Amino acid sequence: GDSVTQMEGPVTLSEEAFLTINCTYTATGYPSLFWYVQYPGEGLQLLLKATKADDKGSNKGFEATYRKETTSFHLEKGSVQVSDSAVYFCALSDRNTDKLIFGTGTRLQVFP
Amino acid sequence: EAGVAQSPRYKIIEKRQSVAFWCNPISGHATLYWYQQILGQGPKLLIQFQNNGVVDDSQLPKDRFSAERLKGVDSTLKIQPAKLEDSAVYLCASSLATSGSLFEQYFGPGTRLTVT
Repeated sequence: GDSVTQMEGPVTLSEEAFLTINCTYTATGYPSLFWYVQYPGEGLQLLLKATKADDKGSNKGFEATYRKETTSFHLEKGSVQVSDSAVYFCALSDRNTDKLIFGTGTRLQVFP
Repeated sequence: EAGVAQSPRYKIIEKRQSVAFWCNPISGHATLYWYQQILGQGPKLLIQFQNNGVVDDSQLPKDRFSAERLKGVDSTLKIQPAKLEDSAVYLCASSLATSGSLFEQYFGPGTRLTVT
């Protein structure tokens, strides 16, 4: 069945460092792809999304490009802040069922 | 706009006891989801409602879990009897629609269940 694989955490960075969190997927058909973020003590929030190949989702300085050829949707940010410390989840949604399938999450810790 | 509300935020019970969680979605959202998030894993969909009808409950352990959405608004998820492996965070989410640009799911803060 459909699945999402994320790099394991925690990812520990200094403020202003470059961030990459890898995400690859397996799916039949053409899913939509998402990154969700969970800040400490809060619920999951949609960070960005892409609905077709070569689409780039972006929000709050984060970007991810839907790469069909490599079945990837890596999350990047050029300069992280302490406030970006959170758990990041990659997810896909099958167009027919709308069911969200999540990866296991990657914890990001940013130190000043 | 008020977000998705869930209660209680925390619950500790002994195995074989029963427990219920409540969710109030964002006003006007037709679709409601319950997810189970075990520590160290991503959320897993348990059940999806469209208004007050069930769309997908394929991963709901129906021998012990039940859910209802009366009047197509708020919803309750029940576990009876609970097992140790049910310890998890139970997330409720809602969305305006099930596809297209209105698909975004909005999540509540979750209920953390500990079964001892």
